[in-house]
Amino acid sequence: SQTIHQWPATLVQPVGSPLSLECTVEGTSNPNLYWYRQAAGRGLQLLFYSVGIGQISSEVPQNLSASRPQDRQFILSSKKLLLSDSGFYLCAWSVRGAHYESHDSPLHFGNGTRLTVT
Amino acid sequence: DAKTTQPNSMESNEEEPVHLPCNHSTISGTDYIHWYRQLPSQGPEYVIHGLTSNVNNRMASLAIAEDRKSSTLILHRATLRDAAVYYCILRAGTQGGSEKLVFGKGTKLTVNP
Repeated sequence: SQTIHQWPATLVQPVGSPLSLECTVEGTSNPNLYWYRQAAGRGLQLLFYSVGIGQISSEVPQNLSASRPQDRQFILSSKKLLLSDSGFYLCAWSVRGAHYESHDSPLHFGNGTRLTVT
Repeated sequence: DAKTTQPNSMESNEEEPVHLPCNHSTISGTDYIHWYRQLPSQGPEYVIHGLTSNVNNRMASLAIAEDRKSSTLILHRATLRDAAVYYCILRAGTQGGSEKLVFGKGTKLTVNP
């Protein structure tokens, strides 16, 4: 069965420090991968998604970046955190096959990382 | 992206049915209707999806209007564990368009004992 791992669960970082959040998926190949952020009391904001190694689509311009060095690994990074980067960061995956399968494939979310920038 | 409109909040009593509405008047013919829910401090969880016909699974039922401009998620007997934020989302059924899934603010469901 497929599983998604996201770590750490919680993180407290000072303003200006770097960030690296990692997400890995097991039990599937060629998944679509996603990073979402949820600020306190707000909805889910799509940050990045990837349909393959090295293929990253950015939805919101900001001081965050994403990379996909391996098929089932998705990394969210920042060189210098801002207070506004605080939030609940969620990684997700879905099946990627023929295009007519993608819309039928639900997203599977990890347990999230709660980031507090102080 | 096609948009959806949901009430900000709804309340229900335990063991009663719950009907969560979603309007999507600009839906295109190839958009699928997906529902997710998010329990406190957890990632969203897939609930159900459909295109034109009503759908049933172990979690819920999805009723889709004939003109597809609205849909309703039905929880047949609400339990306290169903208290969550429910998101109605449109997912493009076209090549290159279905990868992106954008969430709105959802409906916060409160279940009273």
